Amino acid sequence: EVQLGESGGGLIQPGGSLRLSCAASGLNVYSNHVSWVRQAPGKGLEWVSVIYSDGSVDYADSVKGRFMMFRDDNKNTMFLQMNSLRAEDTAVYYCARDVHGGSYYFDIWGQGTLVTVSS
Amino acid sequence: SYVLTQPPSVSVAPGQTARITCGENNIGSKSVHWYQQKPGQAPVLVVHDDSDRPSGISERFSGSSSANTATLTISRVEAGDEADYFCQVWDSSSNYVFGTGTKVTVL
Repeated sequence: EVQLGESGGGLIQPGGSLRLSCAASGLNVYSNHVSWVRQAPGKGLEWVSVIYSDGSVDYADSVKGRFMMFRDDNKNTMFLQMNSLRAEDTAVYYCARDVHGGSYYFDIWGQGTLVTVSS
Repeated sequence: SYVLTQPPSVSVAPGQTARITCGENNIGSKSVHWYQQKPGQAPVLVVHDDSDRPSGISERFSGSSSANTATLTISRVEAGDEADYFCQVWDSSSNYVFGTGTKVTVL
């Protein structure tokens, strides 16, 4: 069974840094595209970043320059390094597998990890 | 930027049909995908590429798309269908775009 599992969330002060992890089982991260998608409390879904199977990455404008996504193929794990955190970054962060066929969508999601940015 | 507009809420009686719309100019030129999210849970893909159902998703869920509106239809609604539903497209300038979300309430 293919599964994704996030960890690393918590309470962090504004301006601080946090690293989220997304561990994969049942799939090889180096041959899949994986995104981070976040959801602020009571709000909708917002795409954050993607790492493609070739290792290239892309980011939403709202996090560009502050967040960095990378992966460790040996650990079969993706990471999201979040710096200069703001209150508006407070959200549940999900990792999700991207399907790239004729279109792009997410077929497998992790359970999410909550990040709270507050003093 | 691309904005996908959904009605905030839809209410439906059990056994009836719920229709959730997702609107944007020329959405018919893109593939639309739909997710169901129950409280406290991660989203689940219920329809992809306008009208295809992933394995394990009930045939009661169906999708369609026209020029400016995509629609998710839930037939013979059950109490377990109560959830938030989000549409999603991919746009070359905005990457992944989600709709504003619709809360489906089963009366």
